[in-house]
Amino acid sequence: QVQLVESGGGVVQPGRSLRLSCAASGFTFGSYGMHWVRQAPGKGLEWVAFISYDGSYKYYADSVKGRFSISRDKSKTTLYLQMDSLRAEDTALYYCAKDRVYSSGWYGPLEHWGQGTLVTVSS
Amino acid sequence: QMTQSPSSLSASVGDRVTITCQASLDINNSLNWYQQKPGKAPKLLIYDASKMETGVPSRFSGSGSGTDFTFTITSLQPEDIATYYCQQFNNLPPTFGGGTNVEIK
Repeated sequence: QVQLVESGGGVVQPGRSLRLSCAASGFTFGSYGMHWVRQAPGKGLEWVAFISYDGSYKYYADSVKGRFSISRDKSKTTLYLQMDSLRAEDTALYYCAKDRVYSSGWYGPLEHWGQGTLVTVSS
Repeated sequence: QMTQSPSSLSASVGDRVTITCQASLDINNSLNWYQQKPGKAPKLLIYDASKMETGVPSRFSGSGSGTDFTFTITSLQPEDIATYYCQQFNNLPPTFGGGTNVEIK
């Protein structure tokens, strides 16, 4: 069965960096796009970034564009989110999610989600 | 942009519950519905506006196309207590609605 396990969260000062990881198993990782979605405490869901199955297409929310970078390692079946210049408003639970669409540069339904990793940006 | 309403509702067990989602642009049928129970990750229930995910109880359904969409629980059950989100994937970014918190009266 599909498993997505996020890690790398923690407490970080404003302006610093953090890298999140999402270890994937139970499906052909190199054939599906992947997302990062975040949820601030007590708030709704906010889509953050998408990477296509082969890494050739990457899309970002305006709120993180230029500061966050999504990447993937097919050999390690792992998704990453490099977060630089962190701000207090980036504090959230970060989920990785598997897209449903096979071998595409676009996205569809987010059909499997991890349990999330918490990022707290505070001095 | 996705406008979801109501933001919260309270209904009795067995009631019919309806949530609406309105898109600011035509998104065809590129709309999904997710359920998020407290302390849990979201779960995909409905995709392409009206297609039910495997294993989802038949009391859940979705309809609509273009800009106006509806999510319905035909007979509310205690285990349906959750926040429900719509999400469009026709345009960039793939935006979520603000969520509807469903409670039992």
